[in-house]
Amino acid sequence: GAGVSQSPRYKVAKRGQDVALRCDPISGHVSLFWYQQALGQGPEFLTYFQNEAQLDKSGLPSDRFFAERPEGSVSTLKIQRTQQEDSAVYLCASSLRTGKGYTFGSGTRLTVV
Amino acid sequence: QQQVKQSPQSLIVQKGGISIINCAYENTAFDYFPWYQQFPGKGPALLIAIRPDVSEKKEGRFTISFNKSAKQFSLHIMDSQPGDSATYFCAASMYSSASKIIFGSGTRLSIRP
Repeated sequence: GAGVSQSPRYKVAKRGQDVALRCDPISGHVSLFWYQQALGQGPEFLTYFQNEAQLDKSGLPSDRFFAERPEGSVSTLKIQRTQQEDSAVYLCASSLRTGKGYTFGSGTRLTVV
Repeated sequence: QQQVKQSPQSLIVQKGGISIINCAYENTAFDYFPWYQQFPGKGPALLIAIRPDVSEKKEGRFTISFNKSAKQFSLHIMDSQPGDSATYFCAASMYSSASKIIFGSGTRLSIRP
C-alpha cells in the first residue's frame, strides 16, 4: 500500500492480557519507529529499527514491552501483562532514511480494562 | 525532562486570522525542526520543516520562523481556515544521525467560521 498500515485499529484488553500490535511500513522504508501517544499528549518515542536491527529501545517503559522486525519489513509491538497505564494510541512510522520527517500510520488505540 | 516545550496548549482563531504556535528546545545538538498536523483518529502528518541554517521557511500559508540564539521556533498559519482546525506538534531531532524525533505536547487549534 501507499501508506503505513497498522492493525488492529482498536484493541480492548483485560488487565493482565498480552497484546500484539502490527505495523506494515511503506515498502522500501529502512527506518521504523514506534511511538506511544497518551490522550491529549504528544507522541513519545518507544523504539527504533533500521532494517531488522533494533538500534534504540530506550523509550520502552518496562520489560513488559517488546518489539521485533525480523525480516526488516513488518514490525510487531508486544505488550505482556497489560496494565491500565498502557492505555494509549500506539503509532508506527517509517522513513527512507533516519532523521527526516517520517510517515505515520493511523495508530492502534489500546484500552486496558 | 521536557526537551521541546510548546505553547499555547489550545488556540482559537477567527477565520482569515493568523495562528501562531511557539516552541522552545534545549538540546543544541538538534538540527531538524519539523511541524506535524494531526486530525482526530489519524497519525501525525508532516506539515513543514526547517534546518537551523535559515531563519524562515514558507510553504503556502504556513511559515516557520527560527531563532537559533534563543533556541525558539514558531509556526505561523496565515489566512487560517476551518479546515486547519487540528492539533499541531512541533518537534526536533538530529538530521543526519539515527535519531528519534522528540515531540512537543501539542496545540489544539480551532478556527471559528
